Amino acid sequence: KAGVTQTPRYLIKTRGQQVTLSCSPISGHRSVSWYQQTPGQGLQFLFEYFSETQRNKGNFPGRFSGRQFSNSRSEMNVSTLELGDSALYLCASTPGIPGRNEQFFGPGTRLTVL
Amino acid sequence: AQSVTQPDIHITVSEGASLELRCNYSYGATPYLFWYVQSPGQGLQLLLKYFSGDTLVQGIKGFEAEFKRSQSSFNLRKPSVHWSDAAEYFCAVGAQNTGNQFYFGTGTSLTVIP
Repeated sequence: KAGVTQTPRYLIKTRGQQVTLSCSPISGHRSVSWYQQTPGQGLQFLFEYFSETQRNKGNFPGRFSGRQFSNSRSEMNVSTLELGDSALYLCASTPGIPGRNEQFFGPGTRLTVL
Repeated sequence: AQSVTQPDIHITVSEGASLELRCNYSYGATPYLFWYVQSPGQGLQLLLKYFSGDTLVQGIKGFEAEFKRSQSSFNLRKPSVHWSDAAEYFCAVGAQNTGNQFYFGTGTSLTVIP
């Protein structure tokens, strides 16, 4: 079974631009979660999608948004980029049974905002 | 509010020595607990998980962890560290009533010296 894939792996953007990141979960997994990882802050939960619906949301501004498609692939979008948005963005998938499944992580997308 | 604390930001051990990484959590209900490892430039890999039952759980790569409810702890141990264990280690907590929203600690960086 293929693992979680994320594209692109690296991105460089400038302040004010917007960016879209993509995540393809493990086949059969219906839940996709997104995290922002920065040095010293660890992993901060952004949101979780299940069956095309946002089920949980972390404490991030509205500039961060996401969606999930019928094939469970997910995208997250960040508008009006700020320098502080530079981070590793990790996607994780689970089969979708609440709480009792470990999350399988992708390699991440490294976003640099200049 | 749910939270995870990893009090040790960085630990250095000699190869062959024993290892214990600390994790304390704050959670209102019975938690589901996880340890993940992250190598540079990689996503997170699950080492082990605790859902219920035996409080001493075995994981991959010779790691184990013990759930102590009275201390709200889930410390990770390994009897003999290998140079390849050098990485970042994350403790996480989740529960059924939060769907797949997991809370991560800020991580412990492990250095192994020969």
